[in-house]
Amino acid sequence: DVKVTQSSRYLVKRTGEKVFLECVQDMDHENMFWYRQDPGLGLRLIYFSYDVKMKEKGDIPEGYSVSREKKERFSLILESASTNQTSMYLCASSGVLGEGNEQFFGPGTRLTVL
Amino acid sequence: AQSVSQHNHHVILSEAASLELGCNYSYGGTVNLFWYVQYPGQHLQLLLKYFSGDPLVKGIKGFEAEFIKSKFSFNLRKPSVQWSDTAEYFCAVNARGYQKVTFGTGTKLQVIP
Repeated sequence: DVKVTQSSRYLVKRTGEKVFLECVQDMDHENMFWYRQDPGLGLRLIYFSYDVKMKEKGDIPEGYSVSREKKERFSLILESASTNQTSMYLCASSGVLGEGNEQFFGPGTRLTVL
Repeated sequence: AQSVSQHNHHVILSEAASLELGCNYSYGGTVNLFWYVQYPGQHLQLLLKYFSGDPLVKGIKGFEAEFIKSKFSFNLRKPSVQWSDTAEYFCAVNARGYQKVTFGTGTKLQVIP
């Protein structure tokens, strides 16, 4: 079974702190994704990566950055956390889309910024 | 740019009722389409997917979806829902040749015993 793990289930940070969210997948997937999930807004794509060291902005990249130094690991960084970044953050991975592949999701990290 | 609309935000049904959840996408080219489900307290998981071929796709737990290209739609159906189908359902689109997946806002389904 594909496994996508996220470093924390719950995280509480203060405004202005630098926050790292880590995601690891064990299926040698090319693609990795970071979404945030908010009630009524569904999943919104922050960033995705289709290869090591490659990244593309999603629909809401402002205030976030990412790092993919190894194929299995994709990190989301909040350089200076703000209260409007309080949310559920979901990581996903997939093989190459268009070859019959789908995304596999981690359990999520619920981040609260005070 | 690709986008997805789910018009039903909250649906309440009695057990054994039939279900249809709407999903429309916006993209002029070829697409891959997905429905995911999130049961309370659980990960998002795939219900079904369409890549090519038969536009009527069958998924897990008796769900099916029909891709109607002329309507840019991919509606989810189930003939008879159960209490255990209570969950949030998300439609997603991927433009063929790109690695970006865009989700809709989701539909919360509540099934009353």
